[in-house]
Amino acid sequence: GNSVTQMEGPVTLSEEAFLTINCTYTATGYPSLFWYVQYPGEGLQLLLKATKADDKGSNKGFEATYRKETTSFHLEKGSVQVSDSAVYFCALEPYGGATNKLIFGTGTLLAVQP
Amino acid sequence: DGGITQSPKYLFRKEGQNVTLSCEQNLNHDAMYWYRQDPGQGLRLIYYSQIVNDFQKGDIAEGYSVSREKKESFPLTVTSAQKNPTAFYLCASSPARTGNTEAFFGQGTRLTVV
Repeated sequence: GNSVTQMEGPVTLSEEAFLTINCTYTATGYPSLFWYVQYPGEGLQLLLKATKADDKGSNKGFEATYRKETTSFHLEKGSVQVSDSAVYFCALEPYGGATNKLIFGTGTLLAVQP
Repeated sequence: DGGITQSPKYLFRKEGQNVTLSCEQNLNHDAMYWYRQDPGQGLRLIYYSQIVNDFQKGDIAEGYSVSREKKESFPLTVTSAQKNPTAFYLCASSPARTGNTEAFFGQGTRLTVV
């Protein structure tokens, strides 16, 4: 079946450090891949997405590249800020599905210290 | 200002009571979803609806019920049959057709059994 595995947190970094949050997936065909972010006490917001192999999604300094050969979609940012502290969810939408049902990973808490 | 609104933000339920969580959207989206979020488990799909007067069970539908009488509204009832209802509940909406479109989330309702 379809599933998403992402690294467990919390990830604690100092301001301006480099961030990587790993995400791998299991799916048939070519799913679409997403990163969502959840700030404390709020719902989820789409951060970036990629719809086919080798696509790079980017937004607010975050990037992730759809790697079909390694079934991965790792999230990176070159220099994190305190305001990036949140929970990050990797998700996939199965290929050819009749709905936009998303399958989420367990989430990774990022804490950035000044 | 388009968006998706959940209410209330906090809800307390006594043992044996049914409670209903509200979700309203003015994005003209056909599809709506309910997710449950528990610590360390990510988001799990409870119910989803692709069109008015139709809905399907997700992965953890037992103890929950929904209705979709209007396109804008998708209320979730947590019944007394749900043995562990304390969780954060998130409603989402998206255009009906798959095609790698973004899902929009509400701010969530935190339900606590007292």
